[in-house]
Amino acid sequence: DIQMTQSPSTLSASVGDRVTITCRASQNINNWLAWFQQKPGKAPKLLIYQASTLEAGVPSRFSGSASGTEFTLTISSLQPDDFATYYCQQYDSYVWTFGQGTKVEVK
Amino acid sequence: EVQLVETGGGLIQPGGSLRLSCAASGFAISNHHMTWVRQAPGKGLEWVSVTESGGRTYDADSVKGRFTISRDNSKNAVFLQMNSVRAEDTAVYYCARGDPWVLGHWGQGTLVTVSS
Repeated sequence: DIQMTQSPSTLSASVGDRVTITCRASQNINNWLAWFQQKPGKAPKLLIYQASTLEAGVPSRFSGSASGTEFTLTISSLQPDDFATYYCQQYDSYVWTFGQGTKVEVK
Repeated sequence: EVQLVETGGGLIQPGGSLRLSCAASGFAISNHHMTWVRQAPGKGLEWVSVTESGGRTYDADSVKGRFTISRDNSKNAVFLQMNSVRAEDTAVYYCARGDPWVLGHWGQGTLVTVSS
């Protein structure tokens, strides 16, 4: 199975900060990677797919990039609504796997 | 509007069986891969099973041989038959639509608690 290693597990930040979350795949996943945002008690929400394509309706402060097997989610200017947990997910091959999650909390 | 509504969760004893349902509206599941993803309390997301639009199914190793995903295109619904459940199956179970593999729409989830 493909392993997804996400870091950091927790990130403390302030409104207006630039935030970066990283996910590393254990093998080539051909950029078949998605990023999700999840708030407590809610279902995950798709932010980005195919490593860098922004889902419709998602604010442009969110962006994704890829370099080989390393993937990055960037929030250019953190907003109050962005405090949440973020997950990466590979869908290159079954078994699909998620990263462990990154909780973005108030500094 | 795309909607997915999961039902069937509840408290079940170890070794028991439960069937989860996911009712879809606003689209035809026959055109989509449909997936179950679960989340144990306070933990991360775990992919469980997928039923592709063409009929193939795939399962995570952790549920293989115990859980069975199925679909009824005429009822526009997806199911997860859970047998021989264990304490570690305790989780919120989400149904999600694939486009074709990207999980762009999710239900609100249904909680399954395995305990004696």
